[in-house]
Amino acid sequence: GAGVSQSPRYKVAKRGQDVALRCDPISGHVSLFWYQQALGQGPEFLTYFQNEAQLDKSGLPSDRFFAERPEGSVSTLKIQRTQQEDSAVYLCASSLAENTGELFFGEGSRLTVL
Amino acid sequence: SQQGEEDPQALSIQEGENATMNCSYKTSINNLQWYRQNSGRGLVHLILIRSNEREKHSGRLRVTLDTSKKSSSLLITASRAADTASYFCATDALGNAGNMLTFGGGTRLMVKP
Repeated sequence: GAGVSQSPRYKVAKRGQDVALRCDPISGHVSLFWYQQALGQGPEFLTYFQNEAQLDKSGLPSDRFFAERPEGSVSTLKIQRTQQEDSAVYLCASSLAENTGELFFGEGSRLTVL
Repeated sequence: SQQGEEDPQALSIQEGENATMNCSYKTSINNLQWYRQNSGRGLVHLILIRSNEREKHSGRLRVTLDTSKKSSSLLITASRAADTASYFCATDALGNAGNMLTFGGGTRLMVKP
């Protein structure tokens, strides 16, 4: 596709539900990042993939958060047993190279946990 | 945790005026980038400045970097109402094995027509 695509754009979950957020990066982009953005704040790093390898997951806030990119393209961020504090916008970004350069962001998935 | 801090947190100016936003960071960097985010949208890359560069221009944007003070500034000249957005600095820390960018809290710019 022309850009990074994320789905769903909006998700409302009841506390305790599991959610899955999908990211389609730009074709051929090696690096893929997930960020969490709370209202009025800057994005906070969650995890990073280089192709299918998850090289850094230091930003995942708890073991309820899990991300995968099994074939080195599409990625899924899964949140188990959602809590109210998980409410945020989840942003996916990709970049062409392994070394950090420009990141291309998707529009984000806004998660609201009731 | 966020590496950068933008100053001011919010800025309101009239169309045609210049807008200056500042960013301070804590660790040594490979490069520093500025991004723009319209309300409810993703971030869009504006400009990247490397640690060995001091100033860079792109259209109406001018970015400076002072590595001795660990600070950067973004100047938008002749602002337009369409420049209304949040602006974030992001750093690629030296020795960053994860290649991720660390973002600041952002400056919310409002340009009044």
